[in-house]
Amino acid sequence: DGGITQSPKYLFRKEGQNVTLSCEQNLNHDAMYWYRQDPGQGLRLIYYSQIVNDFQKGDIAEGYSVSREKKESFPLTVTSAQKNPTAFYLCASRRDREDALNTEAFFGQGTRLTVV
Amino acid sequence: AQSVAQPEDQVNVAEGNPLTVKCTYSVSGNPYLFWYVQYPNRGLQFLLKYITGDNLVKGSYGFEAEFNKSQTSFHLKKPSALVSDSALYFCAVRDLRNAGNMLTFGGGTRLMVKP
Repeated sequence: DGGITQSPKYLFRKEGQNVTLSCEQNLNHDAMYWYRQDPGQGLRLIYYSQIVNDFQKGDIAEGYSVSREKKESFPLTVTSAQKNPTAFYLCASRRDREDALNTEAFFGQGTRLTVV
Repeated sequence: AQSVAQPEDQVNVAEGNPLTVKCTYSVSGNPYLFWYVQYPNRGLQFLLKYITGDNLVKGSYGFEAEFNKSQTSFHLKKPSALVSDSALYFCAVRDLRNAGNMLTFGGGTRLMVKP
């Protein structure tokens, strides 16, 4: 089945640790996104990538890093510099060709990160 | 800059009654508008979108939304609510002038349908 897969579903991080959240898609989508969701707030964009080996910062990139070495994969690393990392993280992907600018984004099931 | 506002944090409705979840937007150019639904501890599921054409858009699970350009609104509606419709609903907008063609989301509205 085609889709977008995030792992793990739950992740616990100790203070000062870096952790990496996985996002894989087999939809052949060009664009991939990472969003953060906090209680009572909407989704905020962390990073996005429109093509392999290229990515841009979103609205809240500080304390996070990403890579896009393969079209299918867009892992997010939450570094120790992120002071308040406890949140629900959502990965999304979308076709991004000139004739498909109006397509909707598909979301993974999310990873809940908790600092312990 | 593009933005989306969902003025109600929560909407309560009795099962069988019609429901409306409000959304207003602000973009520089023509808006592409979307509604998503989120169940607890899950990702977002696409419900419907407005790109062009008829102002009334029909989507999944009996939901529909009406695009109103003069009021810059895109309210989500359903004629008869179900208890299973209880979830968190997000409105989103994309402006082609925005680099990366990213979605900007509203803050979400929690819909509670009571038996």
